[in-house]
Amino acid sequence: DADVTQTPRNRITKTGKRIMLECSQTKGHDRMYWYRQDPGLGLRLIYYSFDVKDINKGEISDGYSVSRQAQAKFSLSLESAIPNQTALYFCATSDRRTSGRAHTGELFFGEGSRLTVL
Amino acid sequence: GENVEQHPSTLSVQEGDSAVIKCTYSDSASNYFPWYKQELGKRPQLIIDIRSNVGEKKDQRIAVTLNKTAKHFSLHITETQPEDSAVYFCAASNTGNQFYFGTGTSLTVIP
Repeated sequence: DADVTQTPRNRITKTGKRIMLECSQTKGHDRMYWYRQDPGLGLRLIYYSFDVKDINKGEISDGYSVSRQAQAKFSLSLESAIPNQTALYFCATSDRRTSGRAHTGELFFGEGSRLTVL
Repeated sequence: GENVEQHPSTLSVQEGDSAVIKCTYSDSASNYFPWYKQELGKRPQLIIDIRSNVGEKKDQRIAVTLNKTAKHFSLHITETQPEDSAVYFCAASNTGNQFYFGTGTSLTVIP
């Protein structure tokens, strides 16, 4: 089945280290997103990309950067990790294209990457 | 930008009872309102959505209502079952671009 895959699924690192979270999808979707989930704060958008040449900041982009290496790949980097970046990170995709009906707007999430910064 | 508020943050109901979760949004340009369910340790998944040209939508035991004038929308789950226990997120979007999520409601259905 077409899916959204995140690696690593779990990562423990130390303050100041550079971390990359990777996302790949086989859904053929053009839009990709990175969200951060914290208890009581819901899902907050970090960055999003509507195609390979399009990168946009979300609500909480400070301290993060992204790269859209290909239609199917979207990676999130923490250049110098800090403890308050400890969270569950989700990659998501959606499909802009219409197929005889309105764009559904449904987000398809990966399984999440749990990051702990000590 | 859009601001989505969600209440309550936790909700416990007896099996068979109804559950209602409410959300408000701030941006009148928002026109798409999905609801996601996240079971423990799993990824969020879409359960129902509504567009701004519709006031209500039902899918078996779940329904969503939208009041554009008041800028609020609600999720209704009837005849709750233990498998409905999860965290539910509302969201608002303008033409499926950015999605702004509420802070989530942890629903517990007590057998």
